Amino acid sequence: DIQMTQSPSTLSASVGDKVTITCRASQSINIWLAWYQQKPGKAPKLLISRASNLESGVPSRFSGSGSGTEFTLTISSLQPDDFATYYCQQYNSYPKTFGQGTKLEIK
Amino acid sequence: DVQLLESGGGLVQPGGSLRLSCAASGFTVNSYAMTWVRQAPGQGLEWVAAFTGSASVTYYADSVKGRFTVSRDTSKNTLYLQMNSLRAEDTAVYFCAKGPPGFAYASDWGQGTLVTVSS
Repeated sequence: DIQMTQSPSTLSASVGDKVTITCRASQSINIWLAWYQQKPGKAPKLLISRASNLESGVPSRFSGSGSGTEFTLTISSLQPDDFATYYCQQYNSYPKTFGQGTKLEIK
Repeated sequence: DVQLLESGGGLVQPGGSLRLSCAASGFTVNSYAMTWVRQAPGQGLEWVAAFTGSASVTYYADSVKGRFTVSRDTSKNTLYLQMNSLRAEDTAVYFCAKGPPGFAYASDWGQGTLVTVSS
């Protein structure tokens, strides 16, 4: 199975900050990576697929990059609505494993 | 619009069984990969099982293999998760999710249903 490791586990930042979350795969997954945002008590929401493809309706301050084993999610200027938990998921092969999550907190 | 509505969660004793349903609308379940994902209280997301689209192949996480079975009823446009030999560690909110054409990540999610395994 492919292991997905996110860092950091928790990130404290302020409105307006630029933040980056990293996701590493235990073996190459090409570009087959998705990023999700989840708020407490809600289902996750798909933000990015194919490592860098922004889903329709997702603000352009979100961006994704990477290929192979290392990927990043960047939020260029944090907004109050962005404080949530973020997960990466590889869909290169089954089981389609998730990272452990990164909780983005208000500083 | 795509809608996914899970049901069937509840309290069950260790060793018991439960069947979750995911009623779909706005698309046909036999045309897309469908996935079950769970989230234990205060924990992260765990991929549980999937039913591919036209190929009708099923996949399972090691943690549930041999105990859980995913199936679908195209006449009801519904996905199921039969859970047997339940353990305390299966306690979680179970989400049903739909993939985009040709892929098995989750582009659309249901609201989730809570399964609690406890005596």
